[in-house]
Amino acid sequence: EVQLSESGGDLVQPGGSLRLSCEASGFLFSSFAMNWVRQPPGRGLEWVSVMSGGGAGRSYADSVEGRFTISRDNANNMLYLQMNSLRVEDTAIYYCAKGGYNYRFPFDSWGQGTLVTVSS
Amino acid sequence: DIVMTQSPDSLAVSLGERATISCKSSQSVLHSSNNKNYLAWYQQKPRQPPKLLISWASARESGVPDRFSGSGSGTDFTLTISRLQAEDVAAYYCQQYLSGPPYTFGQGTKLEIK
Repeated sequence: EVQLSESGGDLVQPGGSLRLSCEASGFLFSSFAMNWVRQPPGRGLEWVSVMSGGGAGRSYADSVEGRFTISRDNANNMLYLQMNSLRVEDTAIYYCAKGGYNYRFPFDSWGQGTLVTVSS
Repeated sequence: DIVMTQSPDSLAVSLGERATISCKSSQSVLHSSNNKNYLAWYQQKPRQPPKLLISWASARESGVPDRFSGSGSGTDFTLTISRLQAEDVAAYYCQQYLSGPPYTFGQGTKLEIK
């Protein structure tokens, strides 16, 4: 059974930094692209970032480009999101979501999410 | 980027009745090389993460009840719940994954019981 578990969410001031983690199990982690998707309170889903299975490819939404960095540790089945220069509008539940063998697959498993609150 | 637009934003349907949600994309999500539509539907129940219901526009995921069906091609898609049950109360999102990244979602449709 695929399991994804996010951690690292917290209350942080504008301009601050935070690192999110996602622990994966139940599948061959290194073979699959992994995503971060966020959801502001009471609002819809916004894709944030993706990293290819091997880690060579990564991409970001325009709203986080230059501030967020995605990474992964395939030896330990971990996905990360380093978030710098945080803004109030980054407040959201952040989900990690499993993609496919390449970028052209839907997100077939999601974690429970971790809440990031950016506020002074 | 491909823009996904759902309608309606919210919907109230009686138990046992049919619910229909529309999703339109600003560009075709049909891949000519394999004739597949790169369109997914997700269900998000209150206080839960999204769950993949349907991929490739019409392929139900394992374990998804057959009252859920997806249809459409190119730029126009529909999610139909044939006989609404109380546990179907949720928000529903469409997503394109042809032109991704960036992946884009519709704004969501909130389904309630009338």
